[in-house]
Amino acid sequence: DQQVKQNSPSLSVQEGRISILNCDYTNSMFDYFLWYKKYPAEGPTFLISISSIKDKNEDGRFTVFLNKSAKHLSLHIVPSQPGDSAVYFCAASRSNSGNEKLTFGTGTRLTIIP
Amino acid sequence: KAGVTQTPRYLIKTRGQQVTLSCSPISGHRSVSWYQQTPGQGLQFLFEYFSETQRNKGNFPGRFSGRQFSNSRSEMNVSTLELGDSALYLCASSQTAGGRGDTQYFGPGTRLTVL
Repeated sequence: DQQVKQNSPSLSVQEGRISILNCDYTNSMFDYFLWYKKYPAEGPTFLISISSIKDKNEDGRFTVFLNKSAKHLSLHIVPSQPGDSAVYFCAASRSNSGNEKLTFGTGTRLTIIP
Repeated sequence: KAGVTQTPRYLIKTRGQQVTLSCSPISGHRSVSWYQQTPGQGLQFLFEYFSETQRNKGNFPGRFSGRQFSNSRSEMNVSTLELGDSALYLCASSQTAGGRGDTQYFGPGTRLTVL
């Protein structure tokens, strides 16, 4: 049972435009959400996170939006740059359960077209 | 500070064999988590070790096991390999147990191919 879903395996966006990556979750107990970026032959690196007490978190070109009622989060990258081409994973955890393992989505491959 | 290192980076085994993968966490980090990455399933949590004790376990069969040493280095073992075990195995380290995702640092992974 995939508790965190990224329904778009791939996405292509023109350089300078906005990239929007989506993620849905089914477990209402998740209260902390993260986005990771992964280049080939490297491990994932943490990008941005959001707690369930917020609905938006911004860090430079990256903004994560959380819609708890829809169990949906999205990552906006604006403006998109060629270096943003990578696989993006969303992840979720239950921060207060003592069981803080991350549950990941299947990833979305973002390609920025120059 | 050196990052998380994993050895070997690539490994080819045949069905039925066993394999041991190694992970050295960032200096000072005491928690090591292991994940399996496959194209269809994304990253799936295998287990977490903290201070030489398994603290958390994912939904993998008993063929997957691990351990952690007193210097926080961790090994993961897979016995009786199956074709479906072909994957990228990632480890992540953090300073504290059950570290939140933003405090976990991943290694580059070991690419295991089972023939």
